[in-house]
Amino acid sequence: QVTLKESGPVLVKPTETLTLTCTVSGFSLSNARMGVSWIRQPPGKALEWLAHIFSNDEKSYSTSLKSRLTISKDTSKSQVVLTMTNMDPVDTATYYCARISHLPETTVTTDWGQGTLVTVSS
Amino acid sequence: SYVLTQPPSVSVAPGQTARITCGGNNIGSKSVHWYQQKPGQAPVLVVYDDSDRPSGIPERFSGSNSGNTATLTISRVEAGDEADYYCQVWDSSSDHLVVFGGGTKLTVL
Repeated sequence: QVTLKESGPVLVKPTETLTLTCTVSGFSLSNARMGVSWIRQPPGKALEWLAHIFSNDEKSYSTSLKSRLTISKDTSKSQVVLTMTNMDPVDTATYYCARISHLPETTVTTDWGQGTLVTVSS
Repeated sequence: SYVLTQPPSVSVAPGQTARITCGGNNIGSKSVHWYQQKPGQAPVLVVYDDSDRPSGIPERFSGSNSGNTATLTISRVEAGDEADYYCQVWDSSSDHLVVFGGGTKLTVL
């Protein structure tokens, strides 16, 4: 059974750096057919993709947030970490990590964590 | 980056058919996925690769994709289908790999 679980602070102050951890089970971060993305959703708004890390450690970032994001993984710990610098109240959102499956015919988000709500406020 | 456009809302009576569209430039050449999200819950994949269903998803959910429009069709709509629905593509031709539509709120009257 595949599970993903996000952890990190529920409250951060403006200008601080947010660090979120996604701990996965049921699959290996070294599996070439799988990767992990971070996706966020402000209250009442749409889903927004943030970053992705492949099994070979290649990374990809949202073009609008690239300068503020860093994604990394520790395969031995089954963890993927996202850092976002210079947090602002508009970054208040539920942050999800999700497993991306690279199937023969397509690439798709097959599993999601439960999400963690991060509030940015002084 | 690539843009996906969805109607903000769709309303349908129970037992009728709901159609939710997702517009994008030549989207027919891409593989489109659809997610259902109920309040307070994480999204759930309901259709992938335009028209395939993950195990456990009812046959009432189907998809199509051609030209500039992909469509999620929900037949014999039930009250439990009321949710937000998002289309999504994986755009490997861009640095911005994953694109979501703006979401459609399905209301069951």
